[in-house]
Amino acid sequence: EAGVAQSPRYKIIEKRQSVAFWCNPISGHATLYWYQQILGQGPKLLIQFQNNGVVDDSQLPKDRFSAERLKGVDSTLKIQPAKLEDSAVYLCASSSVGQGDQETQYFGPGTRLLVL
Amino acid sequence: AQKVTQAQTEISVVEKEDVTLDCVYETRDTTYYLFWYKQPPSGELVFLIRRNSFDEQNEISGRYSWNFQKSTSSFNFTITASQVVDSAVYFCALRGYSTLTFGKGTMLLVSP
Repeated sequence: EAGVAQSPRYKIIEKRQSVAFWCNPISGHATLYWYQQILGQGPKLLIQFQNNGVVDDSQLPKDRFSAERLKGVDSTLKIQPAKLEDSAVYLCASSSVGQGDQETQYFGPGTRLLVL
Repeated sequence: AQKVTQAQTEISVVEKEDVTLDCVYETRDTTYYLFWYKQPPSGELVFLIRRNSFDEQNEISGRYSWNFQKSTSSFNFTITASQVVDSAVYFCALRGYSTLTFGKGTMLLVSP
């Protein structure tokens, strides 16, 4: 079974530029998550989708971050404009069930973003 | 609010030593799930184990074992006879009725 796919693996941009990350979850997984992991810390949830609907985006900085999952499968996360503090690893995860069940999230390899 | 504390920032051992990674959690939820993930240098978080709050039975999987003690809100992870390939950052995580909350991780360095 293929795991969670993410691209690109690395991205270097200058501040105020825009950037987009792509994620393809494990086949059949209805729930998709985007996390931000700053160096030396654990991942922090940015947004959770159930199929193509948003379940939780309370920690997403909506003035610059946006995410979509139009067909309920793959997803994109965008940052516009980027700030220096956005330098982090962006992890995508998926699970077969949503909140309230014994779900386990499976993670992709992440995209390492460096904002100069 | 949920909280996960991994007090050990970094641990260094020599191959074949046993090592225990500590995890203490806080939650007001009566039902919750605890997880351990491994993050090797490649960056991907690898799922190791999930434990339900109502199941305090300890678990062993090969060289890995987990000790869940509800009385002390701890979910410790022991690697027996450590190997160089065990070198990674290990995260403990908690999910109650809300989102998955991670600790800050413990970096384990196993030297030959």
